Amino acid sequence: QKEVEQNSGPLSVPEGAIASLNCTYSDRGSQSFFWYRQYSGKSPELIMFIYSNGDKEDGRFTAQLNKASQYVSLLIRDSQPSDSATYLCAVSKSNYKLTFGKGTLLTVNP
Amino acid sequence: GAVVSQHPSWVICKSGTSVKIECRSLDFQATTMFWYRQFPKQSLMLMATSNEGSKATYEQGVEKDKFLINHASLTLSTLTVTSAHPEDSSFYICSAAIKAGGAYEQYFGPGTRLTVT
Repeated sequence: QKEVEQNSGPLSVPEGAIASLNCTYSDRGSQSFFWYRQYSGKSPELIMFIYSNGDKEDGRFTAQLNKASQYVSLLIRDSQPSDSATYLCAVSKSNYKLTFGKGTLLTVNP
Repeated sequence: GAVVSQHPSWVICKSGTSVKIECRSLDFQATTMFWYRQFPKQSLMLMATSNEGSKATYEQGVEKDKFLINHASLTLSTLTVTSAHPEDSSFYICSAAIKAGGAYEQYFGPGTRLTVT
């Protein structure tokens, strides 16, 4: 079982819709969870992080964490074409080393 | 805040030569930096953890004598790819960690694209 798994996509949504990105992790000792956005040819950009069970909202982005199910998700409301990118889920234990999933390619169609 | 720079942004070198990549934290001090490598259509793979003033910690399978890391100050870490070969061609990305709320957040540099001919 891979440490961090993401639905590989590609995921395609129309402009204005909600995009839902999912991630599961295998290590129950994971404590911190991150979502990064990576445009083609660029380095990852931190979008959100979450440490506690529940929801965390920041603008159009909502991260959801369920440690019992070892599941973390990212919702993007009112998706824009500029949101088209690869979204990377990353998890960390207390030693701050990040383990990345393979990423989900999101395309928002105008 | 939390800006990380890398230099150069791209480099082409001949097989057998060495290439040095610099990673700087511009507006904060980073006791810990990380070096990643990313091949096309793959995720980031951690190569090593760079700690200021001490030896780097390499991930399994990464040759420490080939990928030399120096973290001479709280704002600068360098990665030197020695005797580069075409299979070392990749996108090299550094990150710097900031402690926030009991955990560490990593901010990435813009990356260096290395092509070995």
